[in-house]
Amino acid sequence: AQSVSQHNHHVILSEAASLELGCNYSYGGTVNLFWYVQYPGQHLQLLLKYFSGDPLVKGIKGFEAEFIKSKFSFNLRKPSVQWSDTAEYFCAVKRSGSARQLTFGSGTQLTVLP
Amino acid sequence: NAGVTQTPKFQVLKTGQSMTLQCAQDMNHEYMSWYRQDPGMGLRLIHYSVGAGITDQGEVPNGYNVSRSTTEDFPLRLLSAAPSQTSVYFCATTGEKGSPLHFGNGTRLTVT
Repeated sequence: AQSVSQHNHHVILSEAASLELGCNYSYGGTVNLFWYVQYPGQHLQLLLKYFSGDPLVKGIKGFEAEFIKSKFSFNLRKPSVQWSDTAEYFCAVKRSGSARQLTFGSGTQLTVLP
Repeated sequence: NAGVTQTPKFQVLKTGQSMTLQCAQDMNHEYMSWYRQDPGMGLRLIHYSVGAGITDQGEVPNGYNVSRSTTEDFPLRLLSAAPSQTSVYFCATTGEKGSPLHFGNGTRLTVT
């Protein structure tokens, strides 16, 4: 079965620090990749997505992610985090041929200290 | 334009009770789905539908029923609630294949 792993369960950073959250998936075929963010008490919102082409994708709020096919990874990065980035971040994968189902990772809680 | 609307926002049930979580969308999306979110487990797919009259099981379907009589509505039914169903439930929809999911605001369910 396909799985998505987010190895960092809780990350604590100070403002202006750089961020990298790991995401690895186990499916070997063609995939679509997503990062979602969930601010406290809110629903999930799309940060960015990768379907094809340039493996470095840029999303909203200064986030970017790099797809490395050989490593089955799609890590999320931000050069300088802000207190308002405190949230839970979810990586998600859709494999080709599936209707539109996403498999989500377990999430990474990011806390940014002011 | 409301997007995806879930009701209720909060619900407390006793073990064995039944209830229906409502999900309505006004985006004319074919695909609708239900996820449950539990700490440390991310979101897990319960059921999904690719159009009116068509439903299928996801990763954790046991204890839940769905139906899709219209494009707009996709209710989730708990026939006999169990404490293991305490969770936050999200309805999500999408249009064309490859488009991102649009989530509702969630229903927080507690089963005692």
